[in-house]
Amino acid sequence: EVQLVESGGGLVKPGGSLRLSCAASGFTFSSYAMHWVRQAPGKGLEWVSSISSTSDYIFYADSVKGRFTISRDNAKNSVYLQMHSLRAEDTALYYCVRDVAAAVLWGQGTLVTVSP
Amino acid sequence: DIQMTQSPSSLSASVGDRVTITCRASQSISNFLNWYQHKVGEAPRLLIYAASRLQSGVPSRFSGSGSGTDFSLTISSLQPEDVATYYCQQSYSHLMYTFGQGTKLEIK
Repeated sequence: EVQLVESGGGLVKPGGSLRLSCAASGFTFSSYAMHWVRQAPGKGLEWVSSISSTSDYIFYADSVKGRFTISRDNAKNSVYLQMHSLRAEDTALYYCVRDVAAAVLWGQGTLVTVSP
Repeated sequence: DIQMTQSPSSLSASVGDRVTITCRASQSISNFLNWYQHKVGEAPRLLIYAASRLQSGVPSRFSGSGSGTDFSLTISSLQPEDVATYYCQQSYSHLMYTFGQGTKLEIK
């Protein structure tokens, strides 16, 4: 089955760290750019970070630059989001997304809550 | 960075109505514009890509148009299952795919 499954979300205190994982299956993972998109409670979709298929190109939204790091392991069909210095405003459902346009595929998301 | 601005932010219409949502880019993005439908508790669903191409499996009542900086999503005859929030997304800026702020669509 073609799918993306996120994990690693949870409750963390402000200033803490968390690592999200996304496991891909059913397609040639190494052929696709991957992205993280989040939705904070009551807010819209926010693009967070992207990584090209071979990790040559990496981009971040200004809101997470310097705190989040995206990476991937094509041998393990997985993409990761390492999050440091977490803030209350990082509380959101984080989606793993394959590519864009007609090839797009979304996971179901993993919830990150930043709270004392 | 390319900014995407949607209007209206919310919309209430009756079943059978024709509904149009607009999206404006802060610079020309050619036709690199996608539209998503997002229902509560579900992952976003791609409706339209490349401004006007209907994603497989999407009902034909959905259509998209535009190029450059101005785009629109039209639902020709609103159905109860179309209640959702709709987002435009630009895919012109390589790997920096920003979204509009969303349009919440409700049934009157």
